[in-house]
Amino acid sequence: AQSVAQPEDQVNVAEGNPLTVKCTYSVSGNPYLFWYVQYPNRGLQFLLKYITGDNLVKGSYGFEAEFNKSQTSFHLKKPSALVSDSALYFCAVRERGGSYIPTFGRGTSLIVHP
Amino acid sequence: SAVISQKPSRDICQRGTSLTIQCQVDSQVTMMFWYRQQPGQSLTLIATANQGSEATYESGFVIDKFPISRPNLTFSTLTVSNMSPEDSSIYLCSVEEGSYTEAFFGQGTRLTVV
Repeated sequence: AQSVAQPEDQVNVAEGNPLTVKCTYSVSGNPYLFWYVQYPNRGLQFLLKYITGDNLVKGSYGFEAEFNKSQTSFHLKKPSALVSDSALYFCAVRERGGSYIPTFGRGTSLIVHP
Repeated sequence: SAVISQKPSRDICQRGTSLTIQCQVDSQVTMMFWYRQQPGQSLTLIATANQGSEATYESGFVIDKFPISRPNLTFSTLTVSNMSPEDSSIYLCSVEEGSYTEAFFGQGTRLTVV
């Protein structure tokens, strides 16, 4: 079975400060990991993914995430937050060689204050 | 990347009626998925729709309540039948093009049942 935990319902950060949105996962084997963003009244948009290789993954809009196998984590980061980054962020996992269906975390609301 | 057009974007419906949501993809895809996203919650998979076969429903979802059609490789519909206020939610269609690729989502249908 696969699962994802996003321990924070909400993250608040001031514009210009670095941000981190946390994600930990559980799979039987090796994971494929994804981050998505959802703006109000929109569907989910893909941000970045870890498949294999370099543990630091760079994605859209200046976001990056670091895969940490020992801590089973895939935290989303950005060096300098923008007000426009305010949205709902979902982490997702799929087991390599397993089901095509990803498991999503419950989502973290990111609020960037001017 | 796949572009998905989902409609309607929102609707307000009377209890006891049905609503059909359409999902059109700009390329041929094997697997399409329907999700429900209740307020403040994560995505819950309703069913997987593959062309040429009956949809596969997740636990807690049944065909009589959520009939799905998949007439070809670019189109699918989800019907929410005999609606009640508990069906008020965002419904999302999604496609995936491979086990290691990200999912693509429609913009969602915000359904309110009164």
